[in-house]
Amino acid sequence: AQSVTQLGSHVSVSEGALVLLRCNYSSSVPPYLFWYVQYPNQGLQLLLKYTSAATLVKGINGFEAEFKKSETSFHLTKPSAHMRDAAEYFCAVSEGYRGSTLGRLYFGRGTQLTVWP
Amino acid sequence: NAGVTQTPKFQVLKTGQSMTLQCAQDMNHEYMSWYRQDPGMGLRLIHYSVGAGITDQGEVPNGYNVSRSTTEDFPLRLLSAAPSQTSVYFCASTSNTGEAKNIQYFGAGTRLSVL
Repeated sequence: AQSVTQLGSHVSVSEGALVLLRCNYSSSVPPYLFWYVQYPNQGLQLLLKYTSAATLVKGINGFEAEFKKSETSFHLTKPSAHMRDAAEYFCAVSEGYRGSTLGRLYFGRGTQLTVWP
Repeated sequence: NAGVTQTPKFQVLKTGQSMTLQCAQDMNHEYMSWYRQDPGMGLRLIHYSVGAGITDQGEVPNGYNVSRSTTEDFPLRLLSAAPSQTSVYFCASTSNTGEAKNIQYFGAGTRLSVL
């Protein structure tokens, strides 16, 4: 089974500052990696996903993540934070089911991002 | 464009009561899942299904039952509610084709309190 570690349950940045949310996974080469965002009282929305086509993945709202196999990491970044980025962010890893790459999703515990004006 | 629909949005139960959380998707996805979300714990998988008639347990299945009689519906049953089941429950369905392959689409959640 996969495991996902998100370093830092809370991250605070000023508006306009760099956002860096860290994620490490347990396996050497998982099939799929994801970042999801959850705004208050809502379900999770996909931010971006890695599928081995490129190590740097661009997502919505100016976010991007870089897959580093040697570090088993998939950190999420955004050059300039905006107030609307305040939300909880989840890193997730997909494990294949019965030989297929479609399967269970393992989530990290989440990182709450606060953006100060 | 409904996506994944969960009902009810809120529910309060007394200990020992049973209830069913409904989940329906209109995207013809084979794979569906139920998660619970608790503060500081992320999302934990309760049960999942890879198609009609096929279900399996996730990380925290105790106290919950599921069935999958159709592709569209995946209800979650609480057999005898306990305070430890107070949580936010999310249903998700997973695409298995094209660019969206393996992306999970989530419902808006059901907030359950067990007194």
